Amino acid sequence: KAGVTQTPRYLIKTRGQQVTLSCSPISGHRSVSWYQQTPGQGLQFLFEYFSETQRNKGNFPGRFSGRQFSNSRSEMNVSTLELGDSALYLCASSPSSGNYGYTFGSGTRLTVV
Amino acid sequence: DAKTTQPTSMDCAEGRAANLPCNHSTISGNEYVYWYRQIHSQGPQYIIHGLKNNETNEMASLIITEDRKSSTLILPHATLRDTAVYYCIVRPAKSGSARQLTFGSGTQLTVLP
Repeated sequence: KAGVTQTPRYLIKTRGQQVTLSCSPISGHRSVSWYQQTPGQGLQFLFEYFSETQRNKGNFPGRFSGRQFSNSRSEMNVSTLELGDSALYLCASSPSSGNYGYTFGSGTRLTVV
Repeated sequence: DAKTTQPTSMDCAEGRAANLPCNHSTISGNEYVYWYRQIHSQGPQYIIHGLKNNETNEMASLIITEDRKSSTLILPHATLRDTAVYYCIVRPAKSGSARQLTFGSGTQLTVLP
């Protein structure tokens, strides 16, 4: 079956702009999480959505937001981009409950100039 | 607030078993041990997880000590494609609680020809 799909794969934006990233989870998966990966901070949790509700949130400023649609697809938005937002943004999906491993997408590489 | 400790790097000869240790001395009774790996520029890949019994799947074996304070991931016959950063993560078992993955620095495993 198809894996986690993230679009776009690469993105270049200018400081001050906003950006929206998309994630399509594995069919049947209802939980979607987002992570940011930078060389300095490593992999950091942004937020998790389940059934269109944010279930958990990491320690990021309010410029970072997300949402989940009824088909479980998710988007994350970053407003007023800063140079430090340059990172690999990863989406992961898992079944609704239980102790499963997350399946990650290949990520969106965002560069802010 | 790291919950796991792993060596920064390890080497392994191709075809030999790779044994990756992880210390999680503060693990709680309801926390599972998960292992993921990340090959350069890709999203993390789930490998295996366990609570207190040893686990084996097609990718690896997980050995958890009786006191659950440490574990070892075993790749029985390492190949060059196993070169990656390996992350050991502890995660609450209960659905609905803060179950995000908290990644540390991981172990860079290099499989040598």
